[in-house]
Amino acid sequence: SQQGEEDPQALSIQEGENATMNCSYKTSINNLQWYRQNSGRGLVHLILIRSNEREKHSGRLRVTLDTSKKSSSLLITASRAADTASYFCAGITGANSKLTFGKGITLSVRP
Amino acid sequence: EADIYQTPRYLVIGTGKKITLECSQTMGHDKMYWYQQDPGMELHLIHYSYGVNSTEKGDLSSESTVSRIRTEHFPLTLESARPSHTSQYLCASSGVGRGSYEQYFGPGTRLTVT
Repeated sequence: SQQGEEDPQALSIQEGENATMNCSYKTSINNLQWYRQNSGRGLVHLILIRSNEREKHSGRLRVTLDTSKKSSSLLITASRAADTASYFCAGITGANSKLTFGKGITLSVRP
Repeated sequence: EADIYQTPRYLVIGTGKKITLECSQTMGHDKMYWYQQDPGMELHLIHYSYGVNSTEKGDLSSESTVSRIRTEHFPLTLESARPSHTSQYLCASSGVGRGSYEQYFGPGTRLTVT
């Protein structure tokens, strides 16, 4: 069973606009992570937010976590064409380090 | 750029062949993982290892096997490939000690079984 479920499944925006992607999960998590995947490549870790944190920033990225609603959002500000990729949320539950991934969101940024 | 490598990047083989997908990392990570990903879909964990001589099956049943004889090396073997094994296989590793949750991914092996 998948841990994360992203929304929307596909997003197309103009360069310079902000992109907001949402993720909902089913079971309690220790932390939630966002990854980026360029077409046909491996995933790259973007940001991790722990269950006791509500918001975190890293450069143009802002992630929020609402454990009461079991949801997270990733905001990319001032998007660039190079941000075009698939974005996945993934959660870790329990004491192990296994990640459970959602289906991903395809972001297209038009130049 | 993560120091984790996968070979081959692309592989086309016939049904019934035995294949080994290689994965190596130079970061000294104790944890390593294999994921299977169909195009446009989520990743499914098929095997993981928390250290040398430790291997476990993941959440998705797989006919593949793995071994972890050296810290840096985590190969995946299919004894008899079938068209249903056609997919992308991603290897990942994560760091030493508790709290090292970020995973580093290799570029993947795209396997096609004809």
